[in-house]
Amino acid sequence: RKEVEQDPGPFNVPEGATVAFNCTYSNSASQSFFWYRQDCRKEPKLLMSVYSSGNEDGRFTAQLNRASQYISLLIRDSKLSDSATYLCVVLEYGNKLVFGAGTILRVKS
Amino acid sequence: DVKVTQSSRYLVKRTGEKVFLECVQDMDHENMFWYRQDPGLGLRLIYFSYDVKMKEKGDIPEGYSVSREKKERFSLILESASTNQTSMYLCASTPVGDTYEQYFGPGTRLTVT
Repeated sequence: RKEVEQDPGPFNVPEGATVAFNCTYSNSASQSFFWYRQDCRKEPKLLMSVYSSGNEDGRFTAQLNRASQYISLLIRDSKLSDSATYLCVVLEYGNKLVFGAGTILRVKS
Repeated sequence: DVKVTQSSRYLVKRTGEKVFLECVQDMDHENMFWYRQDPGLGLRLIYFSYDVKMKEKGDIPEGYSVSREKKERFSLILESASTNQTSMYLCASTPVGDTYEQYFGPGTRLTVT
């Protein structure tokens, strides 16, 4: 079983749509969670951290459900520029990041 | 702006060759990492280093070694390249104690024939 699992997609959505991705993690002792974004043929970059209370950054909302061991990312009012692969990331013991394989989002006009 | 550079964007090598992948960061970061990224598998940690001359094995170190002689430079070495090492290799760095925001280089697409 993978430590961090994501639906690979692709999610094909029209501009303006709301889209949500989920991610599950296997280590119940994991403490910190993040979403990274990776554009086509580019390197991954930190998008946002995920806090227990949930957090919002503009059109992006991240939520954590510890009981069910899943993390979500909600994107409202999708833009063409949101097209990318979204990586779910868990910080493990020893300060190592464990990456999910990513969910592909394609926003179309 | 943090800048992480990698020596090559694309590299083609033959089976059995010794391969060197170089990574340099210009922000005086203590921590440096090497990953490989494969479709469906995501990024997997090969080796990391928290200081000069220090190295730790990641999740898939077999067939690889590393060198960190200077703080800004972290090299990945494939002692005898094999076709299953064909992959995208990504280097990353972070300051001490702040490992969650990793700054990645542009990657090296290595093909072993």
